[in-house]
Amino acid sequence: EAGVTQFPSHSVIEKGQTVTLRCDPISGHDNLYWYRRVMGKEIKFLLHFVKESKQDESGMPNNRFLAERTGGTYSTLKVQPAELEDSGVYFCASSQVTGFNEKLFFGSGTQLSVL
Amino acid sequence: AQSVTQLDSQVPVFEEAPVELRCNYSSSVSVYLFWYVQYPNQGLQLLLKYLSGSTLVKGINGFEAEFNKSQTSFHLRKPSVHISDTAEYFCAVTDYNQGGKLIFGQGTELSVKP
Repeated sequence: EAGVTQFPSHSVIEKGQTVTLRCDPISGHDNLYWYRRVMGKEIKFLLHFVKESKQDESGMPNNRFLAERTGGTYSTLKVQPAELEDSGVYFCASSQVTGFNEKLFFGSGTQLSVL
Repeated sequence: AQSVTQLDSQVPVFEEAPVELRCNYSSSVSVYLFWYVQYPNQGLQLLLKYLSGSTLVKGINGFEAEFNKSQTSFHLRKPSVHISDTAEYFCAVTDYNQGGKLIFGQGTELSVKP
């Protein structure tokens, strides 16, 4: 069974450009999460989808970030326009069951560098 | 608000030595605690979790952790480490209503030397 896959693994862009990150969750997983780790700091929650609906987007830093999950399958996270402070590793995770016994499966992350 | 503090950013240790990675949390509600590991160029993997019951939790690869409610700690231990344990380790917390919305610590880089 394929795990959570993220594309691209690395992205280097200039300030002001647009970047789109993609996450393919494990098939059948209704829950999809985005997390981000800025260099040297903790991994922080960005948002949570249940199927195609945004359940919780309280961690999204500002309106330059737009997340979508078309048809409840893969998800994209677009940053437009990118700023220097957006650099970091963006992780995606998926799970089947919601609640305290939820088990998250993480992707390898996308390393985003904004120059 | 919940928070997690990992007291050591880097822990160097020799192979076959014991190791303890420290984690303290703060929360006003009942919590569920986790340790994740990230090997180079890989995603985070669940090492172990505490939901309820016995305070000593055993995980994969010989790791264990002890939940201490009075000290609000969840330290990770291994009696004898291998070179292959070199990785970054993350402590995380959530509560019943938050499910997969985890609060992570800053991470601890474990470096095992021969």
